[in-house]
Amino acid sequence: DQQVKQNSPSLSVQEGRISILNCDYTNSMFDYFLWYKKYPAEGPTFLISISSIKDKNEDGRFTVFLNKSAKHLSLHIVPSQPGDSAVYFCAASVETSYDKVIFGPGTSLSVIP
Amino acid sequence: ETGVTQTPRHLVMGMTNKKSLKCEQHLGHNAMYWYKQSAKKPLELMFVYNFKEQTENNSVPSRFSPECPNSSHLFLHLHTLQPEDSALYLCASSQDTGYEQFFGPGTRLTVL
Repeated sequence: DQQVKQNSPSLSVQEGRISILNCDYTNSMFDYFLWYKKYPAEGPTFLISISSIKDKNEDGRFTVFLNKSAKHLSLHIVPSQPGDSAVYFCAASVETSYDKVIFGPGTSLSVIP
Repeated sequence: ETGVTQTPRHLVMGMTNKKSLKCEQHLGHNAMYWYKQSAKKPLELMFVYNFKEQTENNSVPSRFSPECPNSSHLFLHLHTLQPEDSALYLCASSQDTGYEQFFGPGTRLTVL
């Protein structure tokens, strides 16, 4: 049973618009969440994270929102750019066990010029 | 070189072969990881080393044998693999196990 779910395998967005990638988790013990971005033929690159004590974290064009009661987080990219086209992985861990990061299956984002 | 490097980038091997994957990090990190990414599956953590000591073995079959001779190098020795072991094997490192991980480009393994 997947503890971290990304129910949309793919997403297409027009350049300049907002991209919203969603992630749901089942383990209520998770208290630290990360987003990774992966280009073809490269390893995942850390993008942004959020601790469970926050409900929002912003870094430039990227904002992550956390809804603990719904066990849901989302990554907003605005404005979307063609270079954002990649696979985005949501990941979660328990603070005391950062080495046991659980990854979602990923969502492939295509930003259309 | 900077970051996390992995060699080879592609590997094709038979089920009776013995091969090794190599990972090297140039970031001064103390923790290193092996992950497996199979088609249409999430990234799966295989092994964790912290300060050269293995701290996690995520129920990985013994045909996968990790080795961490120092904090900068990590190997994955492969022996009598199965076709279902074909996957992308990713190495990662972090300052310690409490920090974000930096990934290498991966080794695409095909077992015939």
